[in-house]
Amino acid sequence: DIQMTQSPSFLSASVGERVTLSCKASQNINKYLDWYQQKLGEAPKLLIYNTNNLHTGIPSRFSGSGSGTDYTLTISSLQPEDVATYFCLQRNSWPLTFGSGTKLEIK
Amino acid sequence: QIQLVQSGPELKKPGESVKISCKASGYTFTDYAMHWVKQAPGKGLKWMGWINTYTGKPTYADDFKGRFVFSLEASASTANLQISNLKNEDTATYFCARLDTTDYCFDYWGQGVMVTVSS
Repeated sequence: DIQMTQSPSFLSASVGERVTLSCKASQNINKYLDWYQQKLGEAPKLLIYNTNNLHTGIPSRFSGSGSGTDYTLTISSLQPEDVATYFCLQRNSWPLTFGSGTKLEIK
Repeated sequence: QIQLVQSGPELKKPGESVKISCKASGYTFTDYAMHWVKQAPGKGLKWMGWINTYTGKPTYADDFKGRFVFSLEASASTANLQISNLKNEDTATYFCARLDTTDYCFDYWGQGVMVTVSS
C-alpha cells in the first residue's frame, strides 16, 4: 500500500498569512493526488483534484502543486473560514490511501 | 441538486449487525460508482472499498473483507453498507462518496453515519 505522510500535523497561522501544507507519498503517484477539507462535524469537501485542479466553487486562494512523491496545498491568504483539517488522498493505485491530516487553526 | 443523504446514527452492541444507507438524488445513480470511507473518532479517513452501481459488483479493501457488505437498491438510488458481528473498533462515522467519472475524484459525499458499538 502507498503510505501518505502529511506535515505538519498541526498548524496555527494568522489571518491573511500564506499557508503551505505538505503531503509525501511512499512512491510515485503520478499526480493522482487530491486535497479535501473537513470542518468539524462535517463530511470532507473536495478542494483540489489531480494535484492542481481547483474543484468547482472553491476559492482561488487555494492551489495545489507537486509531482512524483511530493505535493503541496497552498492557501494564499488564510481566512477564518479555512479552519479545518486537510487531508490528501492518492488515487494512483489500490487501495486508495489518505494522509493523516493537517489541522489548521487561526493564531 | 446532487445529494447523498445517509441514514441516522446507530447504537449497537458487540456481535450485532447494522445496515446503513446512502440515498442519491439529482443524478443518474447507475452512472457513478459509490465508495465508502471510515473515520474513527478523532482519527483520519480510511477507504473501505466501492460498489459498481451499474453491475452491483463490490470491491473491498483488505481490512474490510469478511464482515462488511456493500449492496444496492438501484430502483431506489440507494447504496447500503452492512456490518455484521460488530466490534468496538467499528465505532466510527461511515461516509458514502460518489466518484466523478471524468476526473475520478470524490465530488459529493454523504453527511456521514455515526455507528457506536458499546456493551
